[in-house]
Amino acid sequence: GESVGLHLPTLSVQEGDNSIINCAYSNSASDYFIWYKQESGKGPQFIIDIRSNMDKRQGQRVTVLLNKTVKHLSLQIAATQPGDSAVYFCATVPGAQKLVFGQGTRLTINP
Amino acid sequence: GAVVSQHPSWVICKSGTSVKIECRSLDFQATTMFWYRQFPKQSLMLMATSNEGSKATYEQGVEKDKFLINHASLTLSTLTVTSAHPEDSSFYICSARDTRYRADKPQHFGDGTRLSIL
Repeated sequence: GESVGLHLPTLSVQEGDNSIINCAYSNSASDYFIWYKQESGKGPQFIIDIRSNMDKRQGQRVTVLLNKTVKHLSLQIAATQPGDSAVYFCATVPGAQKLVFGQGTRLTINP
Repeated sequence: GAVVSQHPSWVICKSGTSVKIECRSLDFQATTMFWYRQFPKQSLMLMATSNEGSKATYEQGVEKDKFLINHASLTLSTLTVTSAHPEDSSFYICSARDTRYRADKPQHFGDGTRLSIL
């Protein structure tokens, strides 16, 4: 079955540095990937998505990279700010209706 | 942007009580809504898919008689935790997908309901 996992459960970066959060998936049929940000006590907030016919997509201060060969997804956050502190989840919709979440990475910003 | 409202945001009640949580899509119609449960420091686990006008589809291991779902309109789904016990304490989150879009469009999430059973 589909599984989506993250390489690191926690990530600590200096304010102003770039952050890279990684995610691995197992189902090669997955064709749509989403990154969500979850702040404490809140629901997930959509950040950026990418489809399998792309390998890179950029948003405001965020970039998602997709490597289908090794089934790897990453989220890059440029010039990390205190407000970026949160848990970040990758998720995929493996050919069906349901969203499958990874385990999450907690991003902590050091001043 | 699309907004999903969840109510209440926090509830504390005694063991044996039934608790109803509402999930509303405020500016779009949602044929399909989803209910998740999240334990501390864990990911979201899908409990059930709520379908407007039909029965919900439950994930394996989720008791449908304990977690009653009603999706009576295109903007409202409710989750009732019946005879709640302390082990049901968790963060319950709903999401909704805009009816106009395909499955490969992001779902919009509510801000969750913290349920604490004493």
